[in-house]
Amino acid sequence: EAAVTQSPRNKVAVTGGKVTLSCNQTNNHNNMYWYRQDTGHGLRLIHYSYGAGSTEKGDIPDGYKASRPSQENFSLILELATPSQTSVYFCASGWSQNTLYFGAGTRLSVL
Amino acid sequence: AQSVTQPDARVTVSEGASLQLRCKYSYFGTPYLFWYVQYPRQGLQLLLKYYPGDPVVQGVNGFEAEFSKSNSSFHLRKASVHWSDWAVYFCAVSMNQGGSAKLIFGEGTKLTVSS
Repeated sequence: EAAVTQSPRNKVAVTGGKVTLSCNQTNNHNNMYWYRQDTGHGLRLIHYSYGAGSTEKGDIPDGYKASRPSQENFSLILELATPSQTSVYFCASGWSQNTLYFGAGTRLSVL
Repeated sequence: AQSVTQPDARVTVSEGASLQLRCKYSYFGTPYLFWYVQYPRQGLQLLLKYYPGDPVVQGVNGFEAEFSKSNSSFHLRKASVHWSDWAVYFCAVSMNQGGSAKLIFGEGTKLTVSS
């Protein structure tokens, strides 16, 4: 089974600060994704990647950047965190049109 | 635009009773459809997936779903619910974009199992 590990699991940040959420996958999947989960919205796609060096905008990319330095690692970066970015963030990996494997999530609070 | 709607935000079912969770999709073409489950404080896990073919698909733990093109639906069913099924269930459609795929999720249905 694919292993997707997110760090940190919990994070408290201050408004205007920089936040980096990290994701590592060990099954050599080409595609990786960042979603946020909010009550009433389900999961919404922020950024995704087809492979090392590539990043693509998802449905709600504003205020977020992504970085895919290697096949295994995919980071989500909040340069200037705002309270509206308080949420639970999920990383996932997978092959095209196939099962996605999710990490356990990062709970971010921006005060 | 492609979308997924789960009309029931919350469903309560007695243990041992049958279950149906509803999912409606909007997609141009033939969709790839998925049901995921999220147990408390965990990530999502795949329950079952539909690729074009047999409209009824079997998943883990006794779950099944039926694809209906005429109704644009992909409802999830289980004959007898167990307390361990208490979770949030997400329906999703796969959108092929630029040679790769991304999943569009519904809002989720929170299932409560009563004794």
